[in-house]
Amino acid sequence: DIQMTQSPSTLSASVGDRVTITCRASQSIDIWLAWYRQKPGEAPKLLVYRASTLESGVPSRFSGSGSGTDFRLTISSLQTDDFATYYCQQYNYYPYTFGQGTRLDIK
Amino acid sequence: QVQLVASGGGVVQPGRSLRLSCEVSGFTFSKYGMHWVRQAPGKGLEWVAFIGSDERNEHYGDSVKGRFTISRDNSKNTLYLEMNSVRAEDTALYSCVRGSQVDHGIMDVWGQGTTVSVSS
Repeated sequence: DIQMTQSPSTLSASVGDRVTITCRASQSIDIWLAWYRQKPGEAPKLLVYRASTLESGVPSRFSGSGSGTDFRLTISSLQTDDFATYYCQQYNYYPYTFGQGTRLDIK
Repeated sequence: QVQLVASGGGVVQPGRSLRLSCEVSGFTFSKYGMHWVRQAPGKGLEWVAFIGSDERNEHYGDSVKGRFTISRDNSKNTLYLEMNSVRAEDTALYSCVRGSQVDHGIMDVWGQGTTVSVSS
């Protein structure tokens, strides 16, 4: 199975900061990676797919990059809505797998 | 609007069975692949199973393979998850999720889920 490892596990930042979350796959998954944001008590929301394609309606402060085994989600200017947990997910191979999550806290 | 409403969760003893349902509305169910994803209390997301739009293509996570069965009834706009031989580690919030038409591995709409608690 493909293991997905996110770093950091927890990140503290302030409104307006630029932050980057990384996700590493245990083997190449080409560009078949998605990112989700989950706010407490809510269902996850799709942000990015195909490593760098923004889902319709997602603010442009979000961007994704990478291919192969190394990927990044960048938020250019944090808003209060962004303090949540973020997950990467590979969909190149079954079983599909998620990273363990990165919790983004207010500093 | 698009809705995915899961039901059927509850408290179940280890080794017993449970069937979850997910009724969808707001989109043409028969044209989309569907997933079940679970989240144990305080933990991350775990993909459980996928079924293609034509009901023929099924895939499972390693931890549930051979015990759980995903199915669908396109005439009833309903997705199912039959859970057999449940274990304590199956305790989680189970959510039905729509696969995107861009690629069914992309999970573009999530329901709120139903909670399963395995306990004697």
